[in-house]
Amino acid sequence: GQQLNQSPQSMFIQEGEDVSMNCTSSSIFNTWLWYKQDPGEGPVLLIALYKAGELTSNGRLTAQFGITRKDSFLNISASIPSDVGIYFCAGRNYGQNFVFGPGTRLSVLP
Amino acid sequence: EAGVAQSPRYKIIEKRQSVAFWCNPISGHATLYWYQQILGQGPKLLIQFQNNGVVDDSQLPKDRFSAERLKGVDSTLKIQPAKLEDSAVYLCASSLDTRHGEQYFGPGTRLTVT
Repeated sequence: GQQLNQSPQSMFIQEGEDVSMNCTSSSIFNTWLWYKQDPGEGPVLLIALYKAGELTSNGRLTAQFGITRKDSFLNISASIPSDVGIYFCAGRNYGQNFVFGPGTRLSVLP
Repeated sequence: EAGVAQSPRYKIIEKRQSVAFWCNPISGHATLYWYQQILGQGPKLLIQFQNNGVVDDSQLPKDRFSAERLKGVDSTLKIQPAKLEDSAVYLCASSLDTRHGEQYFGPGTRLTVT
């Protein structure tokens, strides 16, 4: 079945730094979603992408739908302590269900 | 607007016992999903409903798992009998319909099977 890879698996950054993470697929997708999950909570939708090359922002977060349609990227600018959590990507192609990546765990050092 | 509601939030049972989880989706959302999230992994789809009909249950272990959405709103997921490997967080999500991709998740039910 389809599998997603997320990189990096985990990262430790200083408060104020910018963060970049990515998600790659073995298949072409037509929709990418990015979620953040805090401990003990369900994933919260951050950004949805529907078109190759699309660049969408949500506050300090920016996500891009890769041109090859097999990858997506999430950037966080000027990180703050509440950015700590696990970031999941999810992708799907027409008529299919979403597949989730294994997550990138972000830790922010004060 | 109220989000997806789930109960209970936590459940501890012994293996071979049965357990049921409840989900109330966002009002007006026709599509409802149940996911299993094992510690350290992303959510994995178990079953998808469109109104009160099953769209996809290909990854549901049907020998022990069952789910229903009788009136097209609330849904229940049942495990009988439970195994140790069923220990996980069970997440419910909903979306407007299958065409709109944006899924909204509930807080989840953390199940521990001992």
